[in-house]
Amino acid sequence: GNSVTQMEGPVTLSEEAFLTINCTYTATGYPSLFWYVQYPGEGLQLLLKATKADDKGSNKGFEATYRKETTSFHLEKGSVQVSDSAVYFCALSDQASQGNLIFGKGTKLSVKP
Amino acid sequence: NAGVTQTPKFQVLKTGQSMTLQCAQDMNHNSMYWYRQDPGMGLRLIYYSASEGTTDKGEVPNGYNVSRLNKREFSLRLESAAPSQTSVYFCASSEGLAGIAYEQYFGPGTRLTVT
Repeated sequence: GNSVTQMEGPVTLSEEAFLTINCTYTATGYPSLFWYVQYPGEGLQLLLKATKADDKGSNKGFEATYRKETTSFHLEKGSVQVSDSAVYFCALSDQASQGNLIFGKGTKLSVKP
Repeated sequence: NAGVTQTPKFQVLKTGQSMTLQCAQDMNHNSMYWYRQDPGMGLRLIYYSASEGTTDKGEVPNGYNVSRLNKREFSLRLESAAPSQTSVYFCASSEGLAGIAYEQYFGPGTRLTVT
């Protein structure tokens, strides 16, 4: 079945460091890919998405490129801030999942000043 | 625009008690979802409702029931709570379902503890 694998956390970075959170997926069809972010004490909110191969999603300085050949959707940011401290979830959706989201386990990011 | 609201925010139950978690959205969305979030497990889908009048099981439906009361409201019921149901529960909604890349909007969550 479909699945999403994210790098284990927690990840601790200093402010202005470069961030990469790896995400790979297994899917039978051509999924849409998402990154959701959960700030402390809140629900999830969509950070970015990509719906086809080679698409790049971007938002708030974060980027991720849909790589079909490596089945990956890694999240990157050039310079993290303390306010980026949160849990990040990679997710996919496709026809096999009836459009429902399948989430990775989440990666907790802590950014120190 | 409140988005997705959930009540209550916190709840403590004893084993065997029942309760209903309430969820409402004001975005005129067709689809609604219930997830549970456990440490190290990510979010797992309990039930979903593709449209008003329909409900379907997700990955972990055992021990739960749902009602899509109308287009706005989707409730989750625990008939006989068990300690394994201790979790944070999130409701979400989206414009549509079925393979289309609609964004899901999440509520703030209900933290449930079963003792």
